[in-house]
Amino acid sequence: DVKVTQSSRYLVKRTGEKVFLECVQDMDHENMFWYRQDPGLGLRLIYFSYDVKMKEKGDIPEGYSVSREKKERFSLILESASTNQTSMYLCASGTGDGYTFGSGTRLTVV
Amino acid sequence: KQEVTQIPAALSVPEGENLVLNCSFTDSAIYNLQWFRQDPGKGLTSLLLIQSSQREQTSGRLNASLDKSSGRSTLYIAASQPGDSATYLCAVRGVAAGNKLTFGGGTRVLVKP
Repeated sequence: DVKVTQSSRYLVKRTGEKVFLECVQDMDHENMFWYRQDPGLGLRLIYFSYDVKMKEKGDIPEGYSVSREKKERFSLILESASTNQTSMYLCASGTGDGYTFGSGTRLTVV
Repeated sequence: KQEVTQIPAALSVPEGENLVLNCSFTDSAIYNLQWFRQDPGKGLTSLLLIQSSQREQTSGRLNASLDKSSGRSTLYIAASQPGDSATYLCAVRGVAAGNKLTFGGGTRVLVKP
C-alpha cells in the first residue's frame, strides 16, 4: 500500500515563527499536494507539484511556500505563521488514477 | 468550473440500515471519481475509485455507481454499523483541472446502535 507520512500529528507554534510541514511518500508518485481543511470551508488546495523542483499555486497560496527537492518529499512552509493559519493540513500524493492522503497535521498558531 | 455537491450534509441512520450517499458534479468531462472516508481529526482514507468508463465499483459492503452523463455518483454502504460513522467525501478529477481534484463538502454520517 502507498504510504504518505506527515512528520507531525500536532504542532503548536508562535505567531511570526517560520514553520515547516513535511510530507514523504514511498511510491515514486509525481503528483503531490498540500491542502488545508477548516470547518465549513472544506478542503482547499494550497500548492501542488507535478515533479521535482516544480510547483504551482492552488486556490489559497498566500502566506505559504513549498519545496520539492526530491521526488518523495514535499514541504509546506509558513514563512511567518499567523493565527489565521491555525488549521488541519493534509498532504496527498498519487498518479491520475487515485490519490492517497497522509494522516494530517493539526497546526495551532498562538 | 467544476463544482461538486454532496447532499445531505449530515445523515443519521439506525444500525443495520443501508446507507445511500450522493455526489453530483457539474462538468461531465471527468477522468475518474474517488470516494474517501474521514474520521474526526484524521486524514482521508480512499474507499473506491471509479474511472469515467466504469459504471460501478464494489469493495465488500461498499458499492459506488457513476452516471457521468447526469453528473452523479452514489455510494452505497450495506448493513451499516456504528463503525461506519464518519464523514464521506467524493472528489472528481476533471479533464479541465488536469491532475487536481475537486472535492464535495462531504456527508457526515452517524450510525446509531
